[in-house]
Amino acid sequence: EAGVTQSPTHLIKTRGQQATLRCSPISGHTSVYWYQQALGLGLQFLLWYDEGEERNRGNFPPRFSGRQFPNYSSELNVNALELEDSALYLCASSQWTGTRSKETQYFGPGTRLLVL
Amino acid sequence: SQQGEEDPQALSIQEGENATMNCSYKTSINNLQWYRQNSGRGLVHLILIRSNEREKHSGRLRVTLDTSKKSSSLLITASRAADTASYFCATDGQGGGSNYKLTFGKGTLLTVNP
Repeated sequence: EAGVTQSPTHLIKTRGQQATLRCSPISGHTSVYWYQQALGLGLQFLLWYDEGEERNRGNFPPRFSGRQFPNYSSELNVNALELEDSALYLCASSQWTGTRSKETQYFGPGTRLLVL
Repeated sequence: SQQGEEDPQALSIQEGENATMNCSYKTSINNLQWYRQNSGRGLVHLILIRSNEREKHSGRLRVTLDTSKKSSSLLITASRAADTASYFCATDGQGGGSNYKLTFGKGTLLTVNP
């Protein structure tokens, strides 16, 4: 069974540009989560999509947005890039088990974004 | 703010020794999970322990959970050089529904020397 995949693996942009990151969840998983891992800040929750809808978002400005497609893959868009957006962006997927107490998130390899 | 806080921040041991990492959290949880990350790559899920469980084993891993102290520990027995990685605990909080999310600590960097 294929795991969570992300593309591209690396992305270099300049300040003010837009970045688009993509994620394909594990087959059968309907939830996709995005996290940012910036140096010194740890893993920060960004967004949660489930069944095509945004369910929750972390403490990030509106220039961080995304969407989930009918096939459950997801896109994260970062507009007006700033230097501090440089980070590893991780996508995770999960399958609803009927209870949150048993839900496990499976992570992809990440996209490393560098903003110059 | 970070829900989970791992302790120690860094740990260096010799191959064959046991490694113990601790995690403390602040609010009530449904479950607590431990993940491993090798050199800035994706996270690998290690083990999930539910709030009504006290101890769980998986191979060389043993996780304990003390909800009264809001703490968990991860024990890796008979460590190997390949166990060198960062280890994170993650909690989900009891905010189900639209508030659901995982909150990660800043991790423990484990170095196992051959």
